[in-house]
Amino acid sequence: AQSVTQPDIHITVSEGASLELRCNYSYGATPYLFWYVQSPGQGLQLLLKYFSGDTLVQGIKGFEAEFKRSQSSFNLRKPSVHWSDAAEYFCAVGALGGADGLTFGKGTHLIIQP
Amino acid sequence: DVKVTQSSRYLVKRTGEKVFLECVQDMDHENMFWYRQDPGLGLRLIYFSYDVKMKEKGDIPEGYSVSREKKERFSLILESASTNQTSMYLCASSLQEIQPQHFGDGTRLSIL
Repeated sequence: AQSVTQPDIHITVSEGASLELRCNYSYGATPYLFWYVQSPGQGLQLLLKYFSGDTLVQGIKGFEAEFKRSQSSFNLRKPSVHWSDAAEYFCAVGALGGADGLTFGKGTHLIIQP
Repeated sequence: DVKVTQSSRYLVKRTGEKVFLECVQDMDHENMFWYRQDPGLGLRLIYFSYDVKMKEKGDIPEGYSVSREKKERFSLILESASTNQTSMYLCASSLQEIQPQHFGDGTRLSIL
């Protein structure tokens, strides 16, 4: 069965500093990977996705993520965070041929310090 | 832009009641999903549907059922609500397998 681990429950970053949120997955075949963001009281918004090809993917709001097969990782990065980036971030994995939904990590809560 | 609409943002019900949560999407998506979200547990899949009148159990289907009579509408039913079903419920839809899922804003359900 596939699984997703987000090792950091909370991360605090100063505004303007760089950010990296970690995501490790476990899956036997080629994974399809996603990062979502959830602002308080809202649903989830897709930041970016990886299906195949270039392992560095660009997303919305200045985010990027790098797929590293050898490390089973799909870490999310941003060079300079803004106060509006404070939110919950979820990494998710899906499987081709398995129309059985996505498997989500438990989320990382991002706090931005002024 | 895809819109997934959940009928209620907040809902308060009593133990033992039959509860309906409604979800409508406007993009003719085949796949629809219901998740529940709890602090520290992330999102867990309850049920999903890949076609009208089709449904499949997810990871935590106990105590829930679903209905999909029309392609655009996917309902989650709590047959006899219990306090441990107090949670945030999120509906999602997608065009094909693995395509990004689009989420509604969620329904925060409290069972008293």
